[in-house]
Amino acid sequence: AQTVTQSQPEMSVQEAETVTLSCTYDTSESDYYLFWYKQPPSRQMILVIRQEAYKQQNATENRFSVNFQKAAKSFSLKISDSQLGDAAMYFCAYRTLPSGNTPLVFGKGTRLSVIA
Amino acid sequence: KAGVTQTPRYLIKTRGQQVTLSCSPISGHRSVSWYQQTPGQGLQFLFEYFSETQRNKGNFPGRFSGRQFSNSRSEMNVSTLELGDSALYLCASRHDPNRAEEQYFGPGTRLTVT
Repeated sequence: AQTVTQSQPEMSVQEAETVTLSCTYDTSESDYYLFWYKQPPSRQMILVIRQEAYKQQNATENRFSVNFQKAAKSFSLKISDSQLGDAAMYFCAYRTLPSGNTPLVFGKGTRLSVIA
Repeated sequence: KAGVTQTPRYLIKTRGQQVTLSCSPISGHRSVSWYQQTPGQGLQFLFEYFSETQRNKGNFPGRFSGRQFSNSRSEMNVSTLELGDSALYLCASRHDPNRAEEQYFGPGTRLTVT
């Protein structure tokens, strides 16, 4: 079974600084998707960024970027120029391809605090 | 487009009772998934429905059931509630479960069992 591990239960970052959240996963599949979701205190889960395993180029969305290391099964999220609104729980998630007919498997999450 | 909506947002029930939660997906989305979120276990998959059929089921007891209607709205039912069922129940929708596209989540229903 696939598993997703987030080894940092809590992280903090100064406003305007950069922080990296770690995620590792275990799978025997070669094709899959990886996601980072953000859950602010209001609890609405929001997709931050996604990465297709077959793409070597790391995904980027504005201040958010990933470092995808397929061989190491590592998928870290980098937040640049951190803002107070970035404070939230961040979940790393995995889904197998090709059918997509499998549920998302989530890590336990990392709580990010942003210090003004 | 309106996002995923869930009702009610908060619910308090007593052990042994049953509860029904509702989820309305984004317009045009035909797949609805349910997740249970607790501090100890994190996010765990309950089930996914597409075209009124259950496509996938997580490792939960039979007290947890669901259904989907022809308009893609979904309900989740928990019978004989236990204290351990206290959790945030999240619903997520996507257009096509045969593609590994991202899901869009609702705000959740906070269930407290006393």
